[in-house]
Amino acid sequence: EAEVAQSPRYKITEKSQAVAFWCDPISGHATLYWYRQILGQGPELLVQFQDESVVDDSQLPKDRFSAERLKGVDSTLKIQPAELGDSAMYLCASSLGQNLNTEAFFGQGTRLTVV
Amino acid sequence: AQTVTQSQPEMSVQEAETVTLSCTYDTSESDYYLFWYKQPPSRQMILVIRQEAYKQQNATENRFSVNFQKAAKSFSLKISDSQLGDAAMYFCAFLLLNTGNQFYFGTGTSLTVIP
Repeated sequence: EAEVAQSPRYKITEKSQAVAFWCDPISGHATLYWYRQILGQGPELLVQFQDESVVDDSQLPKDRFSAERLKGVDSTLKIQPAELGDSAMYLCASSLGQNLNTEAFFGQGTRLTVV
Repeated sequence: AQTVTQSQPEMSVQEAETVTLSCTYDTSESDYYLFWYKQPPSRQMILVIRQEAYKQQNATENRFSVNFQKAAKSFSLKISDSQLGDAAMYFCAFLLLNTGNQFYFGTGTSLTVIP
């Protein structure tokens, strides 16, 4: 069964260091989402891609966060420098594409701890 | 602005009993889908059930059903014959189709199933 792959599963980093997360969506899915989920809260959208283009990054803290999906397939989310408040679960999800009535499929997430 | 409100941070149910989780949303758009997602502890988010806004008939998936009241912008989830494996965080979400497949999530309801 096709799945959204994320790595690493867990990451511990010191504040002010750089950290990167990787996501490989389900094959053929044009839309890719990065969410941040703080423990006990709902997912908060950071950035949404349609193929290689950014559709929405209004909630992405652009002074320290960046995201790319250069070939419209897999994607990388980077934080530099990491801050204590960045500790959270980072979820990647994908869906078939724009204006299609399909749900988002989620990966297992990367749990980031900043110390 | 689009919002999703889950007013019950925590709910509990006896095994084999029925429980209803509440969700209200606000949008001025007319073309959207509604979802309930389940997130077990330390596991990935999976789709429980979805409802197309243009359909009047409430969706049903085995023990899971929804009560969709479009005028009231209400979308509750009913779980019948609750099982221990139903214990999880449940998130209500809606998808706007005409604005680029943007997903909006509620803050979640933590469901405990009591043996």
